[in-house]
Amino acid sequence: KAGVTQTPRYLIKTRGQQVTLSCSPISGHRSVSWYQQTPGQGLQFLFEYFSETQRNKGNFPGRFSGRQFSNSRSEMNVSTLELGDSALYLCASSLGGTGGTYEQYFGPGTRLTVT
Amino acid sequence: GNSVTQMEGPVTLSEEAFLTINCTYTATGYPSLFWYVQYPGEGLQLLLKATKADDKGSNKGFEATYRKETTSFHLEKGSVQVSDSAVYFCALDYGGSQGNLIFGKGTKLSVKP
Repeated sequence: KAGVTQTPRYLIKTRGQQVTLSCSPISGHRSVSWYQQTPGQGLQFLFEYFSETQRNKGNFPGRFSGRQFSNSRSEMNVSTLELGDSALYLCASSLGGTGGTYEQYFGPGTRLTVT
Repeated sequence: GNSVTQMEGPVTLSEEAFLTINCTYTATGYPSLFWYVQYPGEGLQLLLKATKADDKGSNKGFEATYRKETTSFHLEKGSVQVSDSAVYFCALDYGGSQGNLIFGKGTKLSVKP
């Protein structure tokens, strides 16, 4: 079974621009979570989507948004980029559902550099 | 609130040495606990998990036991290899968390030949 894929793998953007990152989950997985990884803050949860609905959101400004499509693929968007948005953005997929614990499987990440 | 605390790194060991990476947690209820590993330039890979007290997760020679009385989930391996060099993350899922894994800061392990 194919793993989680993320595109692009690397991005360089300029302050003020916007960016869209894509994540394709493992087949059959309906939940996609997004995380930001930086050396200073570690891994921080951005948001989670399940069946095209955002179920949970971390403590990030409104410049960070996302969506999920009917095939469970997800995108996240960052508008008005700031230097501090430079990070590795990871998505993870799981079977999802209500309650319980579902193992998350991570993609390789998108390395975003803002100059 | 829910949180995970890992021992600070980096940890440097010689090949075949014994490894322990400490992890303690704070959580309401009965969380599930995980260890993930991240190799350079890659995403996170699930290494092992435990879903209830006294469960032992194991994989590739690594083990961790869910200790509710000490709220700990320490990672151990009896004999490390150079290929184990990576960053290790302890994480918890407090059930119904809807995708929000709580991670520790990570511990970088370097194994020298």
